Amino acid sequence: QLQLQESGSRLVKPSQTLSLTCVVSGNFINSVGYSWSWIRQPPGKGLEWIGYIYHTGSTYYNPSLKSRVNIAVDKSKNQFSLRLNSVTAADTAVYYCARVEMVQVYFDFWGQGILVTVSS
Amino acid sequence: EIVLTQSPGTLSLSPGERATLSCRASQTVSDTFLAWYQQKPGQAPRLLVYGASNRATAIPDRFSGSGSGTDFTLTISRLEPEDFAVYYCQQYDPFPIFGGGTQVEIK
Repeated sequence: QLQLQESGSRLVKPSQTLSLTCVVSGNFINSVGYSWSWIRQPPGKGLEWIGYIYHTGSTYYNPSLKSRVNIAVDKSKNQFSLRLNSVTAADTAVYYCARVEMVQVYFDFWGQGILVTVSS
Repeated sequence: EIVLTQSPGTLSLSPGERATLSCRASQTVSDTFLAWYQQKPGQAPRLLVYGASNRATAIPDRFSGSGSGTDFTLTISRLEPEDFAVYYCQQYDPFPIFGGGTQVEIK
């Protein structure tokens, strides 16, 4: 069974860089037809897609965040990562990693989420 | 950019009742890319339906999705206690977007 687990800094100061890692169980990160995504959810609010990365390394980002986001994959460690720079309080959210089925584009496996707070 | 509007914002029902949740797109979208998720407090979303009407693995058959064009519906035929949660629709055009959610609460 595929499992994803987020980790990283839970408290980030304004203007600094948020960094998270998602470890994918097994060898699923090389699966053809899937990509690996980050989604966030501010407290009490809805879901916002951040971006995704294919096992090839190709990336696609939400236009609203594109200038601040970088997603990378490390297949040797079965993990992918998120970096979001120049953070503000508006970036406070639960961050989820998830697998994306890329034919019909839906999120079929999710990590448990990690709350990241931006505060000085 | 497509906007997904979910209604109602909150649905108050009793166990055993039928729930009908709406997801309306601001322009015609492909049903191929319409998915529904359930989220309980403190948990990650769970995929319920993809391709507008296909139930995901291990999802009970009391959940069904339908619709096309701009109007999509998630129906829960008979609410079980564990179904009280927030439900989101999601579309892909030209990137994944989510609706604002419908909370199904116990009446």
